[in-house]
Amino acid sequence: QFVLTQSPSASASLGASVKLTCTLSSGHSSYAVAWLQQQPQKGPRYLMKLNSDGSHSKGDGIPDRFSGSSSGAERYLTISSLQSEDEADYYCQTWGTGIHVVFGGGTKLTVL
Amino acid sequence: EVQLVESGGGLVQPGRSLRLSCAASGFTFDDYAMHWVRQAPGKGLEWVSGISWNSGNKGYADSVKGRFTISRDNAKNSLYLQMNSLRAEDTALYYCAKGDIVVVPAALSVWGLGTLVTVSS
Repeated sequence: QFVLTQSPSASASLGASVKLTCTLSSGHSSYAVAWLQQQPQKGPRYLMKLNSDGSHSKGDGIPDRFSGSSSGAERYLTISSLQSEDEADYYCQTWGTGIHVVFGGGTKLTVL
Repeated sequence: EVQLVESGGGLVQPGRSLRLSCAASGFTFDDYAMHWVRQAPGKGLEWVSGISWNSGNKGYADSVKGRFTISRDNAKNSLYLQMNSLRAEDTALYYCAKGDIVVVPAALSVWGLGTLVTVSS
């Protein structure tokens, strides 16, 4: 079964950096993921597509503070210089033949 | 500006039907697959269904297979979701989303604001 695993919560201080993790289930370490941000009471917003080699392409208007990296089955979203508006739920999403589209459970980021 | 606007949600009794619509603008609609994703109150995102650019390929989550039907009208830049035999567990905010390529398996790169479906007697 194809699963994306995310920690339910994370926190970091205003102005600091945070690294969120999305783990692909065993045997699927070559898959790309997309990172999405969902601010309170809003629809999801596409941040970037992140490949297994760490290369990534960001969505329109996404600040340079958001970056992605990969290591094995892990896909990371790093947010630097945290701002209050970064407090949101962050989801990873992947896709493939047979699995169609799969979401991780999401990480709730609190900015202290 | 790329935009997706959902409509058609509402309160419906269990076992009844509802049809959702999504109006797309700001991009060449028939160049991309389209999707429906839902979010139950306080829960995460759940993929519901996707349709390829020419309607040749459709996919459904197991939870809705046989009850929901996705369709699109490229001439009208519109996406639809026909929902039959609705259940309480179908209660959610339903989002329309654009894939970033023509086929169903894809990153979902543009999202609407959603339309709320409540299934209750």
